[in-house]
This record gives sequence, C-alpha cells and structure tokens, in this order.
Amino acid sequence: GAVVSQHPSRVICKSGTSVKIECRSLDFQATTMFWYRQFPKQSLMLMATSNEGSKATYEQGVEKDKFLINHASLTLSTLTVTSAHPEDSSFYICSARDLAGRALGAFFGQGTRLTVV
Amino acid sequence: LAKTTQPISMDSYEGQEVNITCSHNNIATNDYITWYQQFPSQGPRFIIQGYKTKVTNEVASLFIPADRKSSTLSLPRVSLSDTAVYYCLVGDAPVDSSYKLIFGSGTRLLVRP
Repeated sequence: GAVVSQHPSRVICKSGTSVKIECRSLDFQATTMFWYRQFPKQSLMLMATSNEGSKATYEQGVEKDKFLINHASLTLSTLTVTSAHPEDSSFYICSARDLAGRALGAFFGQGTRLTVV
Repeated sequence: LAKTTQPISMDSYEGQEVNITCSHNNIATNDYITWYQQFPSQGPRFIIQGYKTKVTNEVASLFIPADRKSSTLSLPRVSLSDTAVYYCLVGDAPVDSSYKLIFGSGTRLLVRP
C-alpha cells in the first residue's frame, strides 16, 4: 500500500541551528503534501500545505521564514526549521494523499521528534 | 470544514465493543466522514471513511444516521493494542489533492486488561 516516509525519526539540535526534515511518498506521486506539528497530549496542528513546484501555503500564525518548506519533486517535500529554539521542540508529521485511487484517506509519515537544547 | 466534537476520553476492557460518537452538526452535502487512529509518537493511520448509512471493513464499522449530523465508530472486541487516540474528521472526499485535513481534539481510548 501507499507509504509516506519521514526522516529522521528523531533529532536533537542546539538552539540557533537549523534542522531539515524529509518527507517522501515511496510508491506514489504527491503534488501536495501537508506538514503538521503536535505538542504532547494535543492534537495535530496543520502548519502548511506543500505544493510541488510552487510556494507553500502557510496556516495563520505559522512563520514562513522560520519553517521553510520545499517541494522540489512529486515524491519529496522538506521542512527546515531555521534558527531553532527550545519552543520549537515538537513532533512534526507530514502527510500526502494517493490520488491513484488505491486507498482512501491520507497517509502520514511516522513523524519526527525534534528536541532543541 | 465542519467542526467535530468527540468525547475527550473513554475507558474500556479487553473483548468489549467500543463505540465512539462524533458530532458534526454543520456537515455539508459533499462532506465525507473519516476516522483516524494515532498511537503515541506515530503518525495517524486511516481507519474508515463513509458518507451515509453504514460502512464496515476488517477493522471497524462506521454508522452514520440519515441526518449525518453525527457518526459512530464501532470497534468490535477491542484489545490492549487498540489503546490510542481516535480522530473524527469531516470534509470533502479526497478527490482533490489540496484538500486539507484539520484535526479536532480526538478521543483518547484506554483499553484495560
């Protein structure tokens, strides 16, 4: 079945550095991918919509200069957390939909646990 | 997108049937109802989707009354491994790749031995 893979699964970085998270659709093409952030005991919060070949669309309140999204191909989207601070520590999840009709719903990556120290 | 309301948490025991109800009073004509399951430190996983009446798959059943203002996810004979958070979402069927999934608070299900 359709699979979305995220890498890395967990990362620890120093405050002020940047971290890149990759999201790949392994066996289908995704013109659109979505990035979510989830804090402990809370629901997923949509951050942005990643569009292949064009600029991402950010949800209200999400800093586009801090969370850089690149969707260079139909199978890869990246989220870069720039100048990370401890408050950026969270669980980041991407998702995509297989429009070939092989399955219902959206597929989610396994998530990336970011810890900024 | 229609807002959903679910119980914050539910407790059950192994072997029991669990029914989680979701209210979506403002559901639109084109909206489908989809349920996802999430385990700690993992991405959500699709469980079931429906538009009206009843849908059943190997994992769960989804009951949708005629007015579609609510839906019930039914998990038959739960096991400890069904302990997770369950999210109900409503929106257009995913024929459009740009359709966004907006998550509500979800229901935290705890299955006890």
